[in-house]
This record gives sequence, structure tokens and C-alpha cells, in this order.
Amino acid sequence: SQQGEEDPQALSIQEGENATMNCSYKTSINNLQWYRQNSGRGLVHLILIRSNEREKHSGRLRVTLDTSKKSSSLLITASRAADTASYFCATQVNTGGFKTIFGAGTRLFVKA
Amino acid sequence: DGGITQSPKYLFRKEGQNVTLSCEQNLNHDAMYWYRQDPGQGLRLIYYSQIVNDFQKGDIAEGYSVSREKKESFPLTVTSAQKNPTAFYLCASRKAGAKNIQYFGAGTRLSVL
Repeated sequence: SQQGEEDPQALSIQEGENATMNCSYKTSINNLQWYRQNSGRGLVHLILIRSNEREKHSGRLRVTLDTSKKSSSLLITASRAADTASYFCATQVNTGGFKTIFGAGTRLFVKA
Repeated sequence: DGGITQSPKYLFRKEGQNVTLSCEQNLNHDAMYWYRQDPGQGLRLIYYSQIVNDFQKGDIAEGYSVSREKKESFPLTVTSAQKNPTAFYLCASRKAGAKNIQYFGAGTRLSVL
């Protein structure tokens, strides 16, 4: 079964609005990552948050992590049409550090 | 997609045929991965390799085979035993000790004729 599950599955917003995506996971983790995938392309790493961190920022991205609830959120502020993509959370589980489990993703559509 | 090259971009397989997907990286990364992505789904791990001449099965290895004879190369063969091969295949690599951040190729889309 999937370790990470994103919510919502799809999100459509107007340019300039904020987009929030959530991720839940099941087992303890070393870190949680967010990746972006443009249609028909590979994934690109956006941001990593360690299990002992609660919040992290990178440009217009803000990630939070709540290990007690086993959940994370990705906030994209002032969205642009170019942000249209699928966003995946990925968890590195505590099994030696080599395995990353990806969720099913949130498809974000930003209307110009 | 920097530094990881997957080829071909599109591939068609006839019934009963084995096909090989290429993945080459010039990032000097130790670990390499193969994932399968079905429409609207996340990534599922097929095989991974942490060092040359060593690899392990992932969650959906049946019907696939790999080799890791060189650090730069990790080809994936989709065998005739894989009855539902139509999918988007992604190769990734990771530098040792790099908090498991993975770098992806642009993918190969495999279809069955």
C-alpha cells in the first residue's frame, strides 16, 4: 500500500491564489520530500524536511510536517500558470536509507 | 532532468518480445532506481541498485530484469513475462549520503502493439 497519500487528488485555482496540498503517511520516517512533475516528464525535487523539523521555506514554497499526525502540507503562494503540474510527497522510511516511497500525487491546475 | 538520460522516449513492444530501456547518468551517483508510473498514479519501485554489480528487487519486480555492470548505466529489460507493460518508466539516481534526494530522467513511455 502507498506510504504517502496526497489530498486533494486534483486542485484548480486562479493565478495569484495560494495552493495547499496535504500528504499523509503511515510509518515513521527519516525525512519527507516534495517533488514536482510536469506532464510527461520526470520528477524534480522541490524541498526536503527532516523528521525533527516542523516548517521549512523555499521561495514561494512552505512545507510543514506534523509527525504526531503523520502528515505534511505544501503551500505554494501567489501561484502562477507555470506552477501547473503534479506534486508528489515522498517519504524515506527508516529501513537503511535507500528506499523512498511516493504518493499518488496532487494534480494542480493554475488558470491564467 | 539534468545528468540522467533515458532512451528511447517512446517504445513499442510486440507481444512476446523483450525490450530494453536505457538509463545513463553522468552525475557520479552510486544508487540508481527504476520506477513504473501508471496514469494518474504515483511511482512504484521496480528495481534499485546501490553499487555496481549489485541490485535488489523493488515492489513490482516480476516481469522485469536489470543489470548494473557500470556505475553510469542501469538498463531495464521488460520481459515477455510482464503481461501489462504499458506505462511510463522513470529512472532516477542518488548520491550516497545525500538524504535520499533523487534525480530523475525524462522517462520512457512504453506501449504494447
